[in-house]
Amino acid sequence: LAKTTQPISMDSYEGQEVNITCSHNNIATNDYITWYQQFPSQGPRFIIQGYKTKVTNEVASLFIPADRKSSTLSLPRVSLSDTAVYYCLVGSGSARQLTFGSGTQLTVLP
Amino acid sequence: EAQVTQNPRYLITVTGKKLTVTCSQNMNHEYMSWYRQDPGLGLRQIYYSMNVEVTDKGDVPEGYKVSRKEKRNFPLILESPSPNQTSLYFCASSPTGRARMDRTGQFFGPGTRLTVL
Repeated sequence: LAKTTQPISMDSYEGQEVNITCSHNNIATNDYITWYQQFPSQGPRFIIQGYKTKVTNEVASLFIPADRKSSTLSLPRVSLSDTAVYYCLVGSGSARQLTFGSGTQLTVLP
Repeated sequence: EAQVTQNPRYLITVTGKKLTVTCSQNMNHEYMSWYRQDPGLGLRQIYYSMNVEVTDKGDVPEGYKVSRKEKRNFPLILESPSPNQTSLYFCASSPTGRARMDRTGQFFGPGTRLTVL
């Protein structure tokens, strides 16, 4: 089971790009990297998933270097509504490995 | 609308009084799971189910039971609740439970806040 390490908290200002990095040194060959967003008292919501290089969707980009020992979630031009906890998960075929860490509390300031 | 529903959303009960939290999904997902979330401990998996009649323990299964008799429902049962089960509970589902196939991850319910006195 790949353990993940993220910063506990980050602050940013509206309109800035935010990059949250997750470390997963013992990632396995079959593991995928998934990021979730959680607002207070709500369930987590899927943001993006990747295996290698770069993945982009309508809300975020995910950068994964060649060694895959880390990944970076990039949120372009954040707004106040992006204030939330962001979780990085690493797992493969077994749902048993879907373990959430403590996440990163992102606070977007006006 | 595709969704995961949980009932009740809020529940206050007393020690030892059996309770069931229901979870239902309308997306025909094979995989369903229960998590509890506590301050400073993040989300911890209680039980999961890969399909009907197939369930397995997560990280913190003690004091909980589950059943999966139908694909859409995955109730969480606390036979004899104790105060240390006071928590925020989330049910989740995904098409298969396998990351390489579930490219949209898990869908989570709105949560059930349980207080055991």
